[in-house]
Amino acid sequence: TQLLEQSPQFLSIQEGENLTVYCNSSSVFSSLQWYRQEPGEGPVLLVTVVTGGEVKKLKRLTFQFGDARKDSSLHITAAQPGDTGLYLCAGAEAGSYQLTFGKGTKLSVIP
Amino acid sequence: GAVVSQHPSWVICKSGTSVKIECRSLDFQATTMFWYRQFPKQSLMLMATSNEGSKATYEQGVEKDKFLINHASLTLSTLTVTSAHPEDSSFYICSASVLPGGTGELFFGEGSRLTVL
Repeated sequence: TQLLEQSPQFLSIQEGENLTVYCNSSSVFSSLQWYRQEPGEGPVLLVTVVTGGEVKKLKRLTFQFGDARKDSSLHITAAQPGDTGLYLCAGAEAGSYQLTFGKGTKLSVIP
Repeated sequence: GAVVSQHPSWVICKSGTSVKIECRSLDFQATTMFWYRQFPKQSLMLMATSNEGSKATYEQGVEKDKFLINHASLTLSTLTVTSAHPEDSSFYICSASVLPGGTGELFFGEGSRLTVL
């Protein structure tokens, strides 16, 4: 079973600041996904990255997959209070559809 | 996107009783669904993979006799927590894929919060 380390675990910032969340593993993933979860709800998929070095942008969110497909980052520019939530990364091994989730990063954006 | 619905959203039960949680794919057929458990301030932990028409595959450490999974149709999987105890209190979430074999994007239910008194 692959392990995903997410950092930081908690992050509290002021509105307008930038932040980066990291997801690291010693194993290689065939794909990696980022989810956002609000309290009491299921996770919602933000993005899937599959190619080493891939960069995807979703408005103010920028996702990057490491060249070796062992790590990923999520960068949020000019954070808004609506960005508050739990951000989870999840990876899938080659040939598997099962996801291994990181522990999550709880983000609080203060107005 | 595809919609997955869970019921109930909240359930409180007495210790020793059994609780059934339903997971439905509303606008697509899901041959494979997944069940997760999430404790407070922790991440999702995969409990089992539910395959329509066959026995579920349980992750290591998950008691199959305690967490009964039935996937009787292409749109419904159920998780029954038998003889629930306070330590079973958790947030249970299901997910389903629009593609056969559980590949492709997963869509998650809203989750069901179980509190065992």
